[in-house]
Amino acid sequence: DTAVSQTPKYLVTQMGNDKSIKCEQNLGHDTMYWYKQDSKKFLKIMFSYNNKELIINETVPNRFSPKSPDKAHLNLHINSLELGDSAVYFCASSLINTQYFGPGTRLTVL
Amino acid sequence: AQTVTQSQPEMSVQEAETVTLSCTYDTSESDYYLFWYKQPPSRQMILVIRQEAYKQQNATENRFSVNFQKAAKSFSLKISDSQLGDAAMYFCAYRLGSGNTPLVFGKGTRLSVIA
Repeated sequence: DTAVSQTPKYLVTQMGNDKSIKCEQNLGHDTMYWYKQDSKKFLKIMFSYNNKELIINETVPNRFSPKSPDKAHLNLHINSLELGDSAVYFCASSLINTQYFGPGTRLTVL
Repeated sequence: AQTVTQSQPEMSVQEAETVTLSCTYDTSESDYYLFWYKQPPSRQMILVIRQEAYKQQNATENRFSVNFQKAAKSFSLKISDSQLGDAAMYFCAYRLGSGNTPLVFGKGTRLSVIA
């Protein structure tokens, strides 16, 4: 009964490729997020969606495009991958006060 | 902008002892929430404890408790009777109270538990 799930958990790819990370939550939450955790373990918000609508877009390169087909899903598509995109990407969801995180996707760009 | 500072990059504690992790934050808002998340080597982000700013009483969850000093903007985590499974990165986080705003994280404290 995974509350917030992400696929894949590991992603290794070459520079210049396009890749997607999928996120699904079965908690009935209205709001979903993408966070990036860099090599120094620092976590920072990238995007936030509420009821399929984008509400927060931090200073993220436009190579990153989130897509929310419905309230339970928030996918992250990354174009033209660069070495600096290597990180762990976390999806999270919340209803009111507390955010629940997915297991993370470790992206390695070679 | 809100910031969260964890001044201890690493801490260690003997098994069964008590350890306190420090966190300070900066905000001009009065309605907000504070959290401690645990990230073990599995990298899963696990909610440890939550504190609403409007509540004066410190939150507790079993062996975990906080010392919330609103005027000082301090939010420390106390782990009692430390266990080997407590070894992890601990992140302090802040969230503005209105709406589903994102979390602002500190840089984390790596806790080691010595048997």
